[in-house]
Amino acid sequence: EVHLVETGGGLVKPGGSLRLSCAASGFTFSDAWVTWVRQAPGRGLEWVGHIKGKTDAGTTDYAAPVKGRFSISRDDSKNTVYLQMKSLKTEDTAVYYCTTDVITMVRGIMSYFDFWGQGTLVSVSS
Amino acid sequence: DIVMTQSPDSLALSLGERATINCKSSQSVLYGSNNKNYLAWYQQKAGQPPNLLIYWASTRVSGVPDRFSGNGSGTDFTLTINSLQAEDVAVYYCQQYYNTRTFGQGTKLEIK
Repeated sequence: EVHLVETGGGLVKPGGSLRLSCAASGFTFSDAWVTWVRQAPGRGLEWVGHIKGKTDAGTTDYAAPVKGRFSISRDDSKNTVYLQMKSLKTEDTAVYYCTTDVITMVRGIMSYFDFWGQGTLVSVSS
Repeated sequence: DIVMTQSPDSLALSLGERATINCKSSQSVLYGSNNKNYLAWYQQKAGQPPNLLIYWASTRVSGVPDRFSGNGSGTDFTLTINSLQAEDVAVYYCQQYYNTRTFGQGTKLEIK
């Protein structure tokens, strides 16, 4: 069974830094693309960024609001992805989810699966 | 980035009625080589992560009631919920997975 567990959230002052972790189990982690999605209080889902799997060179991409401030990395030996957040702003306050999706082909049928953690709350406030 | 726009933002209907939620993408999410629309629908209840309902625009996830259906292609998509039940109260999101993963702004579904 696939499990994703986010940790590292908390209260931080504007301009501060925080590192979130996403620990995974139950699948071949090194090939998986892992995405961070956030949800501000009472708001919708916002794609933050992703890191590709080993076979796709582990490259990263980020949403415009966080580019240059956030970085995603992975340690495949620990089945963990990290979201390093710097120069935090009040508008970064949100629940941060890690999620992974996969497209499979079985007996000619293509399917899509995705898995989500329960999220971790980041509050940026003075 | 592909921008996803949903309508309406909120919907209040009576039990047993039909809900229709629309989603439009800023560019086509139809992948020509496999003729699949990289469009999914999610249901999110309070305090929970989103739950995948439909992918490829119209394929229901195993276990999702058949009162949920999706259709559309290219840039225009619809989620229909027939015979609304109390447990369907939630926020519904469309998501494209053609290029990264971006979401519509959500449609809040309530019971009148």
